[in-house]
Amino acid sequence: NAGVTQTPKFRVLKTGQSMTLLCAQDMNHEYMYWYRQDPGMGLRLIHYSVGEGTTAKGEVPDGYNVSRLKKQNFLLGLESAAPSQTSVYFCASRGTSQLSGFFGPGTRLTVL
Amino acid sequence: EDKVVQSPLSLVVHEGDTVTLNCSYEVTNFRSLLWYKQEKKAPTFLFMLTSSGIEKKSGRLSSILDKKELFSILNITATQTGDSAIYLCAALNNAGNMLTFGGGTRLMVKP
Repeated sequence: NAGVTQTPKFRVLKTGQSMTLLCAQDMNHEYMYWYRQDPGMGLRLIHYSVGEGTTAKGEVPDGYNVSRLKKQNFLLGLESAAPSQTSVYFCASRGTSQLSGFFGPGTRLTVL
Repeated sequence: EDKVVQSPLSLVVHEGDTVTLNCSYEVTNFRSLLWYKQEKKAPTFLFMLTSSGIEKKSGRLSSILDKKELFSILNITATQTGDSAIYLCAALNNAGNMLTFGGGTRLMVKP
């Protein structure tokens, strides 16, 4: 039982490059979330999903896209990376009756 | 726009001290207030508070919610160096599908 895993752990991109962050959970959770964390700003919700095939925008969705083709995976895409997207990205998942959620270990992304 | 504000931004204390961390919120369709501890990596869950005035306690940590004044506090007594972390509070909406986080309080406990 691995919980919530994120791939990759670190990445450096050049402005304009694209990439996909993968979040995987093995707890059969319905809800999955992508957050970004910047110094002094806590976690801000980018996109979330309440089930396979569904996605919704969070607080800061611009510049990101997501997909939830399989229940266990939630992908976060950056089509054209910008330096403002330099951040630590956390994925989280939770079941329908457990409200607190489990967080992945984070992905540190730097855009030059 | 939903907003959660934490204070102080950072705090330095010595082992054995007691600290109080504050969290105020303005959230439409509020359901619950959650506290997390974040050390090097992912936040880990501490408490969830839904009812006003009922203290939740776990060891040296305790927390309470005031739904009239829209705030919560997290108390840590007899602090230890292992309590050094960022403490995050988050407000959960009524639908239970979104958390709005505060900016966090960075606590450093010196030996």
